[in-house]
Amino acid sequence: GEDVEQSLFLSVREGDSSVINCTYTDSSSTYLYWYKQEPGAGLQLLTYIFSNMDMKQDQRLTVLLNKKDKHLSLRIADTQTGDSAIYFCAETREGYQKVTFGIGTKLQVIP
Amino acid sequence: DVKVTQSSRYLVKRTGEKVFLECVQDMDHENMFWYRQDPGLGLRLIYFSYDVKMKEKGDIPEGYSVSREKKERFSLILESASTNQTSMYLCASCGAGNNEQFFGPGTRLTVL
Repeated sequence: GEDVEQSLFLSVREGDSSVINCTYTDSSSTYLYWYKQEPGAGLQLLTYIFSNMDMKQDQRLTVLLNKKDKHLSLRIADTQTGDSAIYFCAETREGYQKVTFGIGTKLQVIP
Repeated sequence: DVKVTQSSRYLVKRTGEKVFLECVQDMDHENMFWYRQDPGLGLRLIYFSYDVKMKEKGDIPEGYSVSREKKERFSLILESASTNQTSMYLCASCGAGNNEQFFGPGTRLTVL
């Protein structure tokens, strides 16, 4: 079945860039997502990318997709303490209701 | 502002009790989902529903059932709660043909 893998933990200093990585196995994936979960809250969609794109930039966020290696990354520029959260990578296919989530990467930002 | 609400933020129940977790969305979404979130395991799909009275098993349906009598409401039922069902339960919804899921704040259930 589909699988999405990501590391459990990342620690960065405030002002540095953070890069959170994710790999997936489903070659039919058409949508790839990054969700953010702040403490005590549900998940919130941060950004997404279609499988026919290589890169998407949205203010401090840059998503890179290497479809050949099935590798997705999220780069947060100028990381702030408010970026401390759990970041989930997720994927699905066109017309498919189910979304497969990774286990989440906990980002700790050190002041 | 889109909204998914869950009936309780925190719930404590005893082993063997019947537990109802309620989820309501105000976006007229066709699809609704129940997940549980556990440390080191991420989100796992329990059940989902793509229409009123329709339901599909997710990856871990054992020990759970669901009910969708109205479009806006999706209930998760633990017929006989067990300690291994202690977890954070997250509800989500999305529209037909749109994969962005909107999540509720979660219910942290403790079964003693």
